[in-house]
Amino acid sequence: KQEVTQIPAALSVPEGENLVLNCSFTDSAIYNLQWFRQDPGKGLTSLLLIQSSQREQTSGRLNASLDKSSGRSTLYIAASQPGDSATYLCAVRLRGGNQFYFGTGTSLTVIP
Amino acid sequence: GAVVSQHPSWVICKSGTSVKIECRSLDFQATTMFWYRQFPKQSLMLMATSNEGSKATYEQGVEKDKFLINHASLTLSTLTVTSAHPEDSSFYICSASSFGLSGTGNIKITYEQYFGPGTRLTVT
Repeated sequence: KQEVTQIPAALSVPEGENLVLNCSFTDSAIYNLQWFRQDPGKGLTSLLLIQSSQREQTSGRLNASLDKSSGRSTLYIAASQPGDSATYLCAVRLRGGNQFYFGTGTSLTVIP
Repeated sequence: GAVVSQHPSWVICKSGTSVKIECRSLDFQATTMFWYRQFPKQSLMLMATSNEGSKATYEQGVEKDKFLINHASLTLSTLTVTSAHPEDSSFYICSASSFGLSGTGNIKITYEQYFGPGTRLTVT
């Protein structure tokens, strides 16, 4: 069974800092990996989707990397803003299946 | 982008009653929809996978007779919590899966899940 872990569980940074969120998974036979943002009491907003053949994806201040062999992905947020405060979830989908396995999330607080 | 809606956004019901939650893909056809449950400060746990026109596939430990799923069309899936109990109180989120073709000369299929805004269920 795929296990997805996110470190750290919580992170608090001053505004303007660059930061890295980590996601690790146990089964490297993934189809893709997706990063989401979740605001309190709300649903999920997709941030970036990386296919297994890709190494990174970028969108604005966000950059996600994928290293299948080591079972890791990172989400880099540049020049953090208070509006970035939310819980960030990574999810992996295995080859041959539809199910997404979610990590436990990183709760980010950006202090003005 | 693709939009998924859920209705209602929140519901309070009495113990023993049933409640239905709708999940709709508004601007695309979703052959597969997923239902997740999220308890406070925990991640999403997949409950079941719903394919249009066929029976849902439930994850281990999820009672199919308690959580009835119907996916009658390519844009609508429903989750009915039957004989609800306080321990069923949770945040229920659905997602719909889309696919597309990309690349020149090669066919690449990408699957991305689009999530609904969630439904907060409180059973008293």
